[in-house]
Amino acid sequence: QSVLTQPPSVSGAPGQRVTISCTGSTSNIGAGYDVHWYHQPPGTAPKLLMYNDVRRPSGVPDRFSGSKSGTSASLAITGLQAEDAGDYYCQSYDRSLSGLLFGGGTKLTVL
Amino acid sequence: EEQLVESGGSLVQPGGSLRLSCAASGFSLSYYWMNWVRQAPGKGLEWVAKIKQDGSEKDYVDSVKGRFTISRDNAKNSVYLQMNTLRVDDAAVYYCARERSRRYGIDVWGQGTTVTVSS
Repeated sequence: QSVLTQPPSVSGAPGQRVTISCTGSTSNIGAGYDVHWYHQPPGTAPKLLMYNDVRRPSGVPDRFSGSKSGTSASLAITGLQAEDAGDYYCQSYDRSLSGLLFGGGTKLTVL
Repeated sequence: EEQLVESGGSLVQPGGSLRLSCAASGFSLSYYWMNWVRQAPGKGLEWVAKIKQDGSEKDYVDSVKGRFTISRDNAKNSVYLQMNTLRVDDAAVYYCARERSRRYGIDVWGQGTTVTVSS
């Protein structure tokens, strides 16, 4: 069981808006550590989607946005497209760990 | 183009050893923390190990401590993962991953190499 909790699955129709939550604690997200998000389409390697809580790497459309408040973070996707399908992972750090901390992952289905 | 290419994955018996390699191209590894992240079949991502730019600091997830060793050769622009006493639950796709800093996350991932542990 991951220390960062994500919903196992979310779904939405093309054009709709979905959000994916990532809930941590005062020793990780709540301690001020950055939250990053990755997208992993089926059968491929993960790819950085959002970093430093709210920043998009070059090439990531502004349909994707991140937010963070207290011990939680969220990823919002607007104007859902078929290519957005796949698994999404949040990642942060923890006071008690020196390594990377991943959420359990959320499977996005585009209906 | 900045790329990481892993190699070395294969089928190994429980208790066996394997050495994974990760070769970088398009950039110098020497500027970055490097990580290994694994993904068991049908499961999520799990951080395995990391190594500082000059190799002076290393750390591991508890489940592999004492069995896995991460190393790097900046002259060869490569990172390695020596895996000993392999267990069935070590079976996974292993990704090499570049971490620019804690502020920027993992910005370059390899394509992964598959480790199967079975008798």
